[in-house]
Amino acid sequence: NAGVTQTPKFQVLKTGQSMTLQCAQDMNHNSMYWYRQDPGMGLRLIYYSASEGTTDKGEVPNGYNVSRLNKREFSLRLESAAPSQTSVYFCASRERVNLQGAGELFFGEGSRLTVL
Amino acid sequence: AQKITQTQPGMFVQEKEAVTLDCTYDTSDQSYGLFWYKQPSSGEMIFLIYQGSYDEQNATEGRYSLNFQKARKSANLVISASQLGDSAMYFCALQGGAQKLVFGQGTRLTINP
Repeated sequence: NAGVTQTPKFQVLKTGQSMTLQCAQDMNHNSMYWYRQDPGMGLRLIYYSASEGTTDKGEVPNGYNVSRLNKREFSLRLESAAPSQTSVYFCASRERVNLQGAGELFFGEGSRLTVL
Repeated sequence: AQKITQTQPGMFVQEKEAVTLDCTYDTSDQSYGLFWYKQPSSGEMIFLIYQGSYDEQNATEGRYSLNFQKARKSANLVISASQLGDSAMYFCALQGGAQKLVFGQGTRLTINP
């Protein structure tokens, strides 16, 4: 069971370079999320996709773009990387729940990005 | 808007004692859910417990229970009989009606032998 797979696991960029973080889930989940984790800041939501074909901004969307390519894949793009984007990035997915219901969030292993 | 707050950056507890991790939230949604996740030093995120806003009973999962006080907008995690393996970061998260799910800043729990 692969679950949520993120690539790459590690990346070093120079300021101004672009890159895309890939995320794929094999659990047939409707909702997918991108978070960044920084020391003392917890996990902050960058973008999310409640269902295939939709994307919405989270708490810290500036400097990022996303694409929900299909139900399985949700990519995060940094068009012009900045040192402030140095972080650990987590992709997650869950089954969409309309009212009550756990809809546990399943996480990938994280991608550590360093921008010099 | 959704907001979730964990006011304890770090906690130190003796092994076998119970521990309460605080979490307060704010949302305009009538229907919402609250989650707790554990992140050990290895980095993976482990789901612990969930409470729905309409659930009348406090959620329990083994040694974990969620003390849900809706009027106070708090959803504290209680760990009974703490173990050394409970040392980790703990995150509270709030899910609103539009599937937006936000996390708190986290609490680093250290269990002392």
